[in-house]
Amino acid sequence: GESVGLHLPTLSVQEGDNSIINCAYSNSASDYFIWYKQESGKGPQFIIDIRSNMDKRQGQRVTVLLNKTVKHLSLQIAATQPGDSAVYFCASKGGYQKVTFGTGTKLQVIP
Amino acid sequence: DSGVTQTPKHLITATGQRVTLRCSPRSGDLSVYWYQQSLDQGLQFLIQYYNGEERAKGNILERFSAQQFPDLHSELNLSSLELGDSALYFCASSVGLRGPLDGYTFGSGTRLTVV
Repeated sequence: GESVGLHLPTLSVQEGDNSIINCAYSNSASDYFIWYKQESGKGPQFIIDIRSNMDKRQGQRVTVLLNKTVKHLSLQIAATQPGDSAVYFCASKGGYQKVTFGTGTKLQVIP
Repeated sequence: DSGVTQTPKHLITATGQRVTLRCSPRSGDLSVYWYQQSLDQGLQFLIQYYNGEERAKGNILERFSAQQFPDLHSELNLSSLELGDSALYFCASSVGLRGPLDGYTFGSGTRLTVV
């Protein structure tokens, strides 16, 4: 079956350092990937997405890398700030409307 | 504020009871999606409505049902509640049918605690 998993449940990073959050997916037919940020008491918030015909996409302070060969994607956050503390989910879209979410990685930023 | 409104924010109820969760989509959005988020689990898709009609069904239990009204707000009904139904329930809305491809937006969720 399709699954999306995260390697680390919790990641602690010093403020100002770069953060890297990893995610593995199992469905090789997945063609669209999304990273979400979920702050305490709030719903998931879209951060960045990438289609399967790309291997890298950059946003503001964030970069998503996609390696289809090993079915892995990562989210890189540059110069991590206290406001980046949250749970980060990856999600993959396979067939029509079939979106699978990972369990999430909690990012803790140490001041 | 995402524009998607969920009420109530918190709900505590006893086993065997029935509750109704409400979602008002973002203005202009026709699709509403319901998700369950349990401890240590990713978001689990329950059901989607588009302009009043059911469009997709996920891992929704028979004890659960939903509907979307003419004004496009949606309700998720959970009955014969069990302890394991304790979770966060999220609603998302989008203008079209394609969920994330249409840039769907999540509400802040309803935290249901069954005691």
